[in-house]
Order: sequence, then C-alpha cells, then structure tokens
Amino acid sequence: ELQLVESGGGLVQPGRSLRLSCTASGFTLGAYATGWVRQAPGKGLEWVGFIRSKPSGGTTDYAASVKGRFTISRDEAKSIAYLQMNSLKTEDTALYYCTKGYGMDVWGQGTTVTVSS
Amino acid sequence: DIVMTQTPLSLSVTPGQPASISCKSSQSLLHSNGKTYLYWYLQKPGQSPQLLIYEVSNRFSGVPDRFSGSGSGTDFTLKISRVEAEDVGVYYCMQTIQPPLFTFGPGTKVDIK
Repeated sequence: ELQLVESGGGLVQPGRSLRLSCTASGFTLGAYATGWVRQAPGKGLEWVGFIRSKPSGGTTDYAASVKGRFTISRDEAKSIAYLQMNSLKTEDTALYYCTKGYGMDVWGQGTTVTVSS
Repeated sequence: DIVMTQTPLSLSVTPGQPASISCKSSQSLLHSNGKTYLYWYLQKPGQSPQLLIYEVSNRFSGVPDRFSGSGSGTDFTLKISRVEAEDVGVYYCMQTIQPPLFTFGPGTKVDIK
C-alpha cells in the first residue's frame, strides 16, 4: 500500500522554526516529486511547494508566500521528505499535507502547525 | 499567476440525481506537449483530499465511473452522474501547468438534501 505519514507539527512562536517530516512507504520516494499542501483552519487548499524527482534533478519550487522561509529536502535512504519552516508567521498556521507526484495521487493524513505567541 | 474559479461554491443534491461543478482558469491549461494539467480532488469530511480525475478526464484508480471530467483550455467540468451519500465533501480543481505556482480552486461544497 502506498502511504505517506507526516509528523513534526506542533505549537511554535512567531519567528521560530519547525521541521516537518513525511515518511513514505510502498514506493520509492525519490522516483516521484514530493509536494506539500496546507490548509488553514476552515479554509481551502494552498500549494506550498515541491521537490522534483531524482531523475528530474531534485530541484525545488515554492509558493510566493513561503519562498525564502521554507525549504523542502529529501533523504532517499530513509524515504523521508522534510519541510523546514523558518521565520514562521501566524498565517502559517495550518494542517500540512505531503503528497506524491505532480498529480498528488497520494496524500498523508496531515500534521498540524500552530504559530502563536 | 493563474487564478482558478469554481461555480457553484455550494451544492445540495438529492441522492440519485446528477451534479455538475464548473472550474475556470484565467489562462489556458493546455501545455505544448498536448496535455492539459487540470485535476479534481474530493476532500470528504474529516479526511485528507483524494485524487479523482487527472489531466481533465482520466479517472484515478478506484474512482467510481459515476465521476467524469471534461473540458479544454480554460473551462472544465466535473460531473457526478448519480450522487450518492458518500460523495459529500468539498471538491477542488487544481492546475499544474504553471510551476512554481500550482493553484487550487476555492472549492465546492457538496451535501445531500
């Protein structure tokens, strides 16, 4: 079974950092793009960014709202993708999902990030 | 930036009746490779989103055939031929033609009368 499991969410103060993890099973993580999508409480879906597959160079792209603050990386040996979030703002409060592939055909269950003083 | 709009934003349907959701993009989603990068997702209450349709009209594995997608260029439609109780939730369209900015539509909430 193809599965993604996010972890690492929590309560953090504005300006601080947090790193989310996304553990993949049932497929080779590096063979596909891995994306992050977030959903603020009661709101719709917002694409955060992705890391391309290894064959496509493993480069990253980000939404304007997080560019320069968030970094996506991947440890293929561990089958884990990461979302490093720095300089967090209250508006980053959301449920964060990781996804498989550009078409997002597999989603994790999400991990909640709350940015508040 | 490509803006995605959906209509209606909410829809109440009698079980067994059809439903239709429109999604429009501010720019064509037709890529030079001939593919059109428009996807549909369903987020059931309390669950993660799930892929229904990819590249306009292709049903993802396990998606019932009562779901169908159509359209081209900037205008797209998701149709449910006969709505069932398990189809309730929020439906989102999404474009991926323009990295690094994939964008979702605002979502259409579907419930049962």
